[in-house]
Amino acid sequence: IAGITQAPTSQILAAGRRMTLRCTQDMRHNAMYWYRQDLGLGLRLIHYSNTAGTTGKGEVPDGYSVSRANTDDFPLTLASAVPSQTSVYFCASSPVAGEQNEQFFGPGTRLTVL
Amino acid sequence: GQNIDQPTEMTATEGAIVQINCTYQTSGFNGLFWYQQHAGEAPTFLSYNVLDGLEEKGRFSSFLSRSKGYSYLLLKELQMKDSASYLCAPMDSNYQLIWGAGTKLIIKP
Repeated sequence: IAGITQAPTSQILAAGRRMTLRCTQDMRHNAMYWYRQDLGLGLRLIHYSNTAGTTGKGEVPDGYSVSRANTDDFPLTLASAVPSQTSVYFCASSPVAGEQNEQFFGPGTRLTVL
Repeated sequence: GQNIDQPTEMTATEGAIVQINCTYQTSGFNGLFWYQQHAGEAPTFLSYNVLDGLEEKGRFSSFLSRSKGYSYLLLKELQMKDSASYLCAPMDSNYQLIWGAGTKLIIKP
């Protein structure tokens, strides 16, 4: 693994189903983030984690949950998917939370909820 | 509230120079990032400004004026591969990035 990986690459999901998007980084970064990107809008922060064992809510957390059991993994779960959650989801990481450092992005997961 | 404003789309000619402007209002300020995003790909870091002035990095330069809430990205000697979206993202007082919708840059031969 080099950098950040996300799985799956794309997914079509029936409304009401549960789905977990996976994110793994091998850079030993403390901070990790989940964003969604929709046409015409900027990246919107869903949830973040400043360090393993802690998580926080971003701008659009409703309908999503996260966990951070270790440094490397930061899965995002949709408990009961709805069509408005159709989007491209990006996971990102940065070396240290609360400092002025860049974020590194995974390749994204394209999710369609029907 | 927090707000980022940048043009939706710009067109430029290969070999030319283009300037992409960004104005912002954030709760606190810890610098401003520019990212490049090719269609269907992830954003990648281009530049970071925290002090006023111009930062030059090869064909790309970024400028910041904190008092005016203004930044621009300058791309010189445009190449076809520069066709992408350019995202302006100031960092607020909580060290969270606030993302603009991006400027889609189209390069014509």
